[in-house]
Amino acid sequence: DAKTTQPPSMDCAEGRAANLPCNHSTISGNEYVYWYRQIHSQGPQYIIHGLKNNETNEMASLIITEDRKSSTLILPHATLRDTAVYYCIVRVAGSARQLTFGSGTQLTVLP
Amino acid sequence: EPEVTQTPSHQVTQMGQEVILRCVPISNHLYFYWYRQILGQKVEFLVSFYNNEISEKSEIFDDQFSVERPDGSNFTLKIRSTKLEDSAMYFCASFPREDGSEAFFGQGTRLTVV
Repeated sequence: DAKTTQPPSMDCAEGRAANLPCNHSTISGNEYVYWYRQIHSQGPQYIIHGLKNNETNEMASLIITEDRKSSTLILPHATLRDTAVYYCIVRVAGSARQLTFGSGTQLTVLP
Repeated sequence: EPEVTQTPSHQVTQMGQEVILRCVPISNHLYFYWYRQILGQKVEFLVSFYNNEISEKSEIFDDQFSVERPDGSNFTLKIRSTKLEDSAMYFCASFPREDGSEAFFGQGTRLTVV
C-alpha cells in the first residue's frame, strides 16, 4: 500500500471547518483513500473513503485532487468532540489486507 | 448500530501468565483482525483471520500468540506467556466483505503485564 504523509498536529477553532491534508504521491490506480480517527485511545473509527471523486457523508467531506496525489478531509463545523488523531490510509480496493496506520494528525479543536 | 464488542476492557496479569482477549465481531462480517497499540505509539497490525484460518500476520505475531474463532461468534487472541512489553491496548476489528469497505473496531482491551 502507498505511503501517506500528514502533518503531526493541527488546531482548529470550534465551529470552524477543519481541513486535514494528506499526501499520497505514490498512490496506485486501484488504491482507495481512507480516513479514520482515534479519540483518546478508543478504537479507530471509520470516517470516509474515496477513489477519485469527492465524497461526502454525515461526518465529513473528502476532496481528492485530480492527480490523486493528495487529499483533504474536511470537518465542516468542528466541535470539541472532534479532537482526535486522524489517520489517512491508502489501501488497495478489493483487498481484505490489513490497514496500515501511520502517525496521523492530532487535531485539537479549541473552544 | 452494530458494533464490535471486546472483553474485558482492562486486564492485569503477571508476567509469564496466559491471557485470552475476547471479541464478538459483527455477526455477518467475514474478516477479523487484531491490532495493538502500545501507549503513545502507532496502531500496529497483528493478524487477520478469514474462513477459519490466518490470512496474514505481522512480525509481532510470533509463536506466543494465537487466534481462534471457537464457536462462530467469538474471536479470541491468546498470549501464552505474557511479557512486560505485551502491555498495550488490543483492538479487534471486522470487515464485512472483501471489497475494502469500512472496518469496524472494538473499544479495545487494555492489557497490563506486571
